[in-house]
Amino acid sequence: DAKTTQPPSMDCAEGRAANLPCNHSTISGNEYVYWYRQIHSQGPQYIIHGLKNNETNEMASLIITEDRKSSTLILPHATLRDTAVYYCIVKANAGKSTFGDGTTLTVKP
Amino acid sequence: GAVVSQHPSRVICKSGTSVKIECRSLDFQATTMFWYRQFPKKSLMLMATSNEGSKATYEQGVEKDKFLINHASLTLSTLTVTSAHPEDSSFYICSPSEHVGTEAFFGQGTRLTVV
Repeated sequence: DAKTTQPPSMDCAEGRAANLPCNHSTISGNEYVYWYRQIHSQGPQYIIHGLKNNETNEMASLIITEDRKSSTLILPHATLRDTAVYYCIVKANAGKSTFGDGTTLTVKP
Repeated sequence: GAVVSQHPSRVICKSGTSVKIECRSLDFQATTMFWYRQFPKKSLMLMATSNEGSKATYEQGVEKDKFLINHASLTLSTLTVTSAHPEDSSFYICSPSEHVGTEAFFGQGTRLTVV
């Protein structure tokens, strides 16, 4: 599985958009970009995934660059409950998820 | 999203005893089950992968005789920590996956404390 690089931490003001970057320069053609988040002492929660097109759901938007070497997760209106560790993972469909250190997002009032 | 039920959520056991953790996929058939563990302030580390009806494949450094995995049905997998020691204290998380699924779901996790 391809490796990802994320900033260790980010802050965001409540109500503002949170933009979380991820680099995955060695991604293979059949690998998807997945985003999960983990709130303290809970299992990871799926957020969104994509192959090459931008994706949007009720939780977030995923922007993938044309060369697929990086992506950005956007939480449009961050709330305090969005404070969590966010993991960007690249993997083949139904394959194992290899977790890096993720980005600790802190949403501040 | 799919429902995954992992039990127990917390367990404290004495050193030398065994603990069984159950993971159920409630609304889909999990042909593959991934088991992770997570130490404090660390990321999730894959321990093993099991396919229904087959022996599990363990990651390097994970003792297969210590962490017994049973995946006898498409909706249930168990992880048994045998002869637990304090260094086995960790957060264990299961992740069932369909063969042609497009996303992974995770259990709520089990906090194991060995005293």
